[in-house]
Amino acid sequence: DQQVKQNSPSLSVQEGRISILNCDYTNSMFDYFLWYKKYPAEGPTFLISISSIKDKNEDGRFTVFLNKSAKHLSLHIVPSQPGDSAVYFCAASAQNNDMRFGAGTRLTVKP
Amino acid sequence: GAGVSQSPSNKVTEKGKDVELRCDPISGHTALYWYRQRLGQGLEFLIYFQGNSAPDKSGLPSDRFSAERTGESVSTLTIQRTQQEDSAVYLCATRDAYGEQFFGPGTRLTVL
Repeated sequence: DQQVKQNSPSLSVQEGRISILNCDYTNSMFDYFLWYKKYPAEGPTFLISISSIKDKNEDGRFTVFLNKSAKHLSLHIVPSQPGDSAVYFCAASAQNNDMRFGAGTRLTVKP
Repeated sequence: GAGVSQSPSNKVTEKGKDVELRCDPISGHTALYWYRQRLGQGLEFLIYFQGNSAPDKSGLPSDRFSAERTGESVSTLTIQRTQQEDSAVYLCATRDAYGEQFFGPGTRLTVL
């Protein structure tokens, strides 16, 4: 039962352009959403989060958008840099604190 | 230490053997999670500990898998009679009061 879905396994963008990573969820009880970044041979690291009372959260080059009615969130990276190349995981949690992850999207930023 | 640590970093074992993976959490973080990431797949929830409450074991794939945690200290994940399908990176994470999870570097398990 995949409650969090990242339908694009990979994304390639040119340096300087915008990267848009998408995530869909099915559980309407989810009220807190996070994005994690993972480099090879390392554990995921927290990137940015958003609670369900907001529809946008911005941190430098990273912005997360939440559309509750569509059960969809996205991560925008602008401008994209080669160092952003990594696997990005979307995660969602509900009041019971159980956190579910998507399958990840591998972002490649080409110089 | 400042972060979550896991040991061993790599483990190669023969099919049928038991393995034990260890997670040292960040001090003060009451919530601890175990996840598994198999090649080409996303993070798969295994088990969740919150303080002294009964753990949420709903993600454990079979009864060969078990985990222990005493209070807010070290956790161990045990896999009995390992199978080749158990080969994966096993990640431990703890959560702070703001809901952010901090991951350890993982243990790469290879079952031959």
